[in-house]
Amino acid sequence: EAGVAQSPRYKIIEKRQSVAFWCNPISGHATLYWYQQILGQGPKLLIQFQNNGVVDDSQLPKDRFSAERLKGVDSTLKIQPAKLEDSAVYLCASSLGRQRFYNEQFFGPGTRLTVL
Amino acid sequence: TQLLEQSPQFLSIQEGENLTVYCNSSSVFSSLQWYRQEPGEGPVLLVTVVTGGEVKKLKRLTFQFGDARKDSSLHITAAQPGDTGLYLCAEKGGGYQKVTFGTGTKLQVIP
Repeated sequence: EAGVAQSPRYKIIEKRQSVAFWCNPISGHATLYWYQQILGQGPKLLIQFQNNGVVDDSQLPKDRFSAERLKGVDSTLKIQPAKLEDSAVYLCASSLGRQRFYNEQFFGPGTRLTVL
Repeated sequence: TQLLEQSPQFLSIQEGENLTVYCNSSSVFSSLQWYRQEPGEGPVLLVTVVTGGEVKKLKRLTFQFGDARKDSSLHITAAQPGDTGLYLCAEKGGGYQKVTFGTGTKLQVIP
């Protein structure tokens, strides 16, 4: 079974530029998550989708970050414009769905973003 | 928002040594998970504990959930270089099973 796919793996941009990350979850997984992980820290949830609807975006900086999950499958996360403090690894994860208490989140390898 | 503090923040030990890392919360956990993250990869789930006082073993790893469900520990026996990584505790709870990660413990096992 294929895992969670993310691209690109690395991205370097100048501050104030825009950037987009792509995630393809495990087939059949209804829930998709985007996390931000700053070096040396634990991941922080940015947004959680249930199918193509948002169920939690309380920690998403909405003035510059946006995310969508069209058709309830793939998802993109965009930053516009980027700031120096956005330098981090952006992790995508998916799981079967909220009805299953023990259902496991499976993470992709992440996209490492460096903002200069 | 619940704060999950992990200690120590960094740990460097020789192969064959034992170690324990801790996860503490300001409030009661719904359920607690432990993950390991290797460089360049996403976290991988090791275990989920739900009941206060619960102990689970995974080969050389022993996970304990505090009786009051506000703390947890991970003990590794005879550490190996393959155990190197970032160990994360996380609380899973709420209507949409949100996962909130701790601050992490970075472990290095030297051959």
